[in-house]
Amino acid sequence: GDSVTQMEGPVTLSEEAFLTINCTYTATGYPSLFWYVQYPGEGLQLLLKATKADDKGSNKGFEATYRKETTSFHLEKGSVQVSDSAVYFCALRNSGAGSYQLTFGKGTKLSVIP
Amino acid sequence: NAGVMQNPRHLVRRRGQEARLRCSPMKGHSHVYWYRQLPEEGLKFMVYLQKENIIDESGMPKERFSAEFPKEGPSILRIQQVVRGDSAAYFCASSPPDGGGNTEAFFGQGTRLTVV
Repeated sequence: GDSVTQMEGPVTLSEEAFLTINCTYTATGYPSLFWYVQYPGEGLQLLLKATKADDKGSNKGFEATYRKETTSFHLEKGSVQVSDSAVYFCALRNSGAGSYQLTFGKGTKLSVIP
Repeated sequence: NAGVMQNPRHLVRRRGQEARLRCSPMKGHSHVYWYRQLPEEGLKFMVYLQKENIIDESGMPKERFSAEFPKEGPSILRIQQVVRGDSAAYFCASSPPDGGGNTEAFFGQGTRLTVV
C-alpha cells in the first residue's frame, strides 16, 4: 500500500538557519504530494503541493520539488523564523481508487530558537 | 466563509462513556473525511462521507465507532464505550463536490479526546 516516510524529529534550528525536512514515498500510480503544517494547538493547514513530476510547490518561503526518480518531496526553507516552529507533515494522495484519501507521514517537529 | 468547524475542541470522557464529535464542513462542501492522530503518529484515514451516505469506512475500527453525515446538520463521529486507547486527536476535513483527484481538503482544528 501507499506510505510516506519523513525524517524523525525533533529538529531544532537557530533563526535564519537553512531547513531541510526529508520525505520519501511509496505509491502506485501518480500521486499528488503535499506538505501540511500544524501549529501548536491548531489543525492542519496546507503549506504547499505538487501534482506531477518535477513540479515545485512553494509558499511562505518554503519549497518542495516532486522528484519521481527518487520518490522524494523534501521540504526546504532558506531562512527559518521563530514563527515557523510547528509540526510538518508530508502526505500523498493517489490518483487511483480511493483518491480522496491522504496518506501522512508521522510528522517532524521543528523548533526555531532566537 | 468560515472554515471547517469542529466541536468540542477538547473532550474528556471516562472509560465506558460515549464520545460524540461534531464537524461542520465549509460552506458549499458536501464531502467530509475523518482522520485520527494518535500520539507521535501521523493522521490515519477513518471514514469518508457524503450527505446521508458513507462512501468508505475502511479505516474505522469494526466495533464501537460510527459516523454519519445527515442531510441537515453536522457530521458526527460517535465512539461508544470509550477506552484509553481511543485518546487521540480527531480531525475532520471537507472538500467541495467532486473536483477529481486534485480537490483540496480543508481541515478543522480537531477534537482532542482524552479518556480517563
